[in-house]
Amino acid sequence: KAGVTQTPRYLIKTRGQQVTLSCSPISGHRSVSWYQQTPGQGLQFLFEYFSETQRNKGNFPGRFSGRQFSNSRSEMNVSTLELGDSALYLCASSPGFGSGNTIYFGEGSWLTVV
Amino acid sequence: GENVEQHPSTLSVQEGDSAVIKCTYSDSASNYFPWYKQELGKGPQLIIDIRSNVGEKKDQRIAVTLNKTAKHFSLHITETQPEDSAVYFCAASDGGSQGNLIFGKGTKLSVKP
Repeated sequence: KAGVTQTPRYLIKTRGQQVTLSCSPISGHRSVSWYQQTPGQGLQFLFEYFSETQRNKGNFPGRFSGRQFSNSRSEMNVSTLELGDSALYLCASSPGFGSGNTIYFGEGSWLTVV
Repeated sequence: GENVEQHPSTLSVQEGDSAVIKCTYSDSASNYFPWYKQELGKGPQLIIDIRSNVGEKKDQRIAVTLNKTAKHFSLHITETQPEDSAVYFCAASDGGSQGNLIFGKGTKLSVKP
């Protein structure tokens, strides 16, 4: 079974630009969640989607948004990029939604904002 | 909300020794505690998990223990090998119904040959 696939793997953007990251979950998984990983803050939860609906959201500004498609694929978007948005963005998928579901991470998308 | 503390932040052991990483959590409603291993340049990989109705779980050289009363859980790696060198993260499910994971800050484990 293929794992979680994220694209692009690496990208460099300029302050003020916007970026879209893509995630394909493990086949059969219907829940996709996104995490931001930085050296200072560690792994922080951004949001989770299940059946095309955002079910849970972390403590991030509205510049961070996402969506999920009917095939469970997901995208996240960051608008008006700031230097502090430089991070590894990780997508994870799980079969279902709710407490106790095992999540499996992709390799991540490395975003550098200059 | 949930808060997870992880110790130590770095750990260096000789090959063949055991390694122990400890985590504490704050929300007594948390019921799921996974451990992830992250190698350089890769995403976190699930290595073992435990649920709140179990006190201990083993998988070959890896074991996890959970003390619900004290709200702490630990990862034990026996007979460490150089390929065990990585950053290890503990996590606890948020006690609410959504259950997103709250992660510890990570432990960088170095196994010296």
